[in-house]
Amino acid sequence: DQQVKQNSPSLSVQEGRISILNCDYTNSMFDYFLWYKKYPAEGPTFLISISSIKDKNEDGRFTVFLNKSAKHLSLHIVPSQPGDSAVYFCAASHYNTDKLIFGTGTRLQVFP
Amino acid sequence: DTAVSQTPKYLVTQMGNDKSIKCEQNLGHDTMYWYKQDSKKFLKIMFSYNNKELIINETVPNRFSPKSPDKAHLNLHINSLELGDSAVYFCASSPGGQHSGNTIYFGEGSWLTVV
Repeated sequence: DQQVKQNSPSLSVQEGRISILNCDYTNSMFDYFLWYKKYPAEGPTFLISISSIKDKNEDGRFTVFLNKSAKHLSLHIVPSQPGDSAVYFCAASHYNTDKLIFGTGTRLQVFP
Repeated sequence: DTAVSQTPKYLVTQMGNDKSIKCEQNLGHDTMYWYKQDSKKFLKIMFSYNNKELIINETVPNRFSPKSPDKAHLNLHINSLELGDSAVYFCASSPGGQHSGNTIYFGEGSWLTVV
């Protein structure tokens, strides 16, 4: 039972344009969400997070939006840069279990 | 200056062997983890330790035995390796629990191939 889903395995975007990565979850108990970025042969690195009491969190070129009623979150990267090319993982947790549940990742390719 | 380091990075071994993966963090964190990323790219938690104490054990076969000699180290020992154990194993650490809003720092991963 995959509680966190990233239905798009890959996304290709032109440099300078907006990249939108989507994530859906099924467990309404989740109250904290994170995005991680992963380059080949490296471990995931933390990018941005959002608590369920918010619907938006922004950090430079990265913005995460949370729609609790739809159980959906998205990561916006604008403007996209070639160095953003990586696999992006969505993750979620809730207080009672204290563990992160990861999605399967979306591979983003930003081309010139 | 690597924050979470794990060795070896690549390991190829035969079925039935016993192997260990070592992990060390120099961040002063209290909590350490082992995650497994399988062939389908699912990244799942296996174990969590807080100050050398086991907190989470995610229904992992008992052939997998984590050992934490101190809070800066969490090693993973695997007995009687099976083909299905082939995966990438990530060590990670955080200042507190995963849900405390703390960032989790991952190591670079250990690619285990069982032949």
